[in-house]
Amino acid sequence: DTGVSQDPRHKITKRGQNVTFRCDPISEHNRLYWYRQTLGQGPEFLTYFQNEAQLEKSRLLSDRFSAERPKGSFSTLEIQRTEQGDSAMYLCASRQSSGNTIYFGEGSWLTVV
Amino acid sequence: KQEVTQIPAALSVPEGENLVLNCSFTDSAIYNLQWFRQDPGKGLTSLLLIQSSQREQTSGRLNASLDKSSGRSTLYIAASQPGDSATYLCAVSPRDNYGQNFVFGPGTRLSVLP
Repeated sequence: DTGVSQDPRHKITKRGQNVTFRCDPISEHNRLYWYRQTLGQGPEFLTYFQNEAQLEKSRLLSDRFSAERPKGSFSTLEIQRTEQGDSAMYLCASRQSSGNTIYFGEGSWLTVV
Repeated sequence: KQEVTQIPAALSVPEGENLVLNCSFTDSAIYNLQWFRQDPGKGLTSLLLIQSSQREQTSGRLNASLDKSSGRSTLYIAASQPGDSATYLCAVSPRDNYGQNFVFGPGTRLSVLP
């Protein structure tokens, strides 16, 4: 059990550029979640997958955001045409569908300048 | 829409003190409630989970209670230590999605002074 891994940990990008974050969940976990957190706030739900199927998306996930989980393993979160308001920490989490404990990665910090 | 609030926003206590963190939620139709710890710039670590049918859970020096009807939960930390310094977040899972995601509060930032 190596934990949930996220890459990159930090990303600085210019407004209008595209960015992609990767999450590797704990290997036997079939549920994978993406959250966004801004300073001083709790995380906000973005989307979740069960295996490769994206089962729920928040209204926060605008058309510029897309998430995939090919083959039900790692996941990517892409943000197109970044805006300064996208600056936040993007957290990935995973768990077994039969379990209650959810495990978070250390997050990917995005700064849009 | 479910909303979660936490009081106080920040707390500073001397080492050894017992303390209580508070969480309130607006919709009592929850699947479960969890308390998390977050160290600066890091991810979240689950501390305690209380199912909607339960009243409390304990782990070591931590005790969490749940009063669903009043929309409240408390996290009690006994004999606080400097290593307990972190932000503590409360999160509820709405019943209508069977606990598939969480609504988080803003957290309480705790500092335990040696």
